[in-house]
Amino acid sequence: GQNIDQPTEMTATEGAIVQINCTYQTSGFNGLFWYQQHAGEAPTFLSYNVLDGLEEKGRFSSFLSRSKGYSYLLLKELQMKDSASYLCAVTGGYNKLIFGAGTRLAVHP
Amino acid sequence: EAEVAQSPRYKITEKSQAVAFWCDPISGHATLYWYRQILGQGPELLVQFQDESVVDDSQLPKDRFSAERLKGVDSTLKIQPAELGDSAMYLCASSFRTEGSGELFFGEGSRLTVL
Repeated sequence: GQNIDQPTEMTATEGAIVQINCTYQTSGFNGLFWYQQHAGEAPTFLSYNVLDGLEEKGRFSSFLSRSKGYSYLLLKELQMKDSASYLCAVTGGYNKLIFGAGTRLAVHP
Repeated sequence: EAEVAQSPRYKITEKSQAVAFWCDPISGHATLYWYRQILGQGPELLVQFQDESVVDDSQLPKDRFSAERLKGVDSTLKIQPAELGDSAMYLCASSFRTEGSGELFFGEGSRLTVL
């Protein structure tokens, strides 16, 4: 089976840095995704990690440690539009993608 | 830019009625997914197709839900009869790859309200 844990809610200030953690347990592992979802909208792709280490893409970075079953999403220079839910998702066999419950991030001025 | 098309965007129905959702994936994407997302929760996989075949439907409530992808292109998800607890966003997604790192592309979703 698969289990994904991430904090339910986080708050941060505009211009700051925030780190959203995700821990997972899975019987098979083909990679970890982070998706962003604004209220009432569909999820959109942010990042993909399959090897250990840090992947950087603009203001967003994602880290993976397969031995620890741990990932984080790092958001820098926060903007108001970054207020959204951030979904951690793990892939198993047959490209099956299982999502965590998501972390609701509120960015304040 | 290619998109995953879903319809209807919004559906209001009474319990015990039948409801159907349609999805047209990005052209060439062999894998199609239906997810259900209850407000405040993450998406839950209902069914996954590889071409016209079901790869995983372990979380699909088969007594009332059915899904098909007859020609391996577009897909329909049906609920009959609808129950109050079925109120949710139904998301369709597609992926090019069948194994490994295939990014999922989501449609805008169909929001169902059961009264």
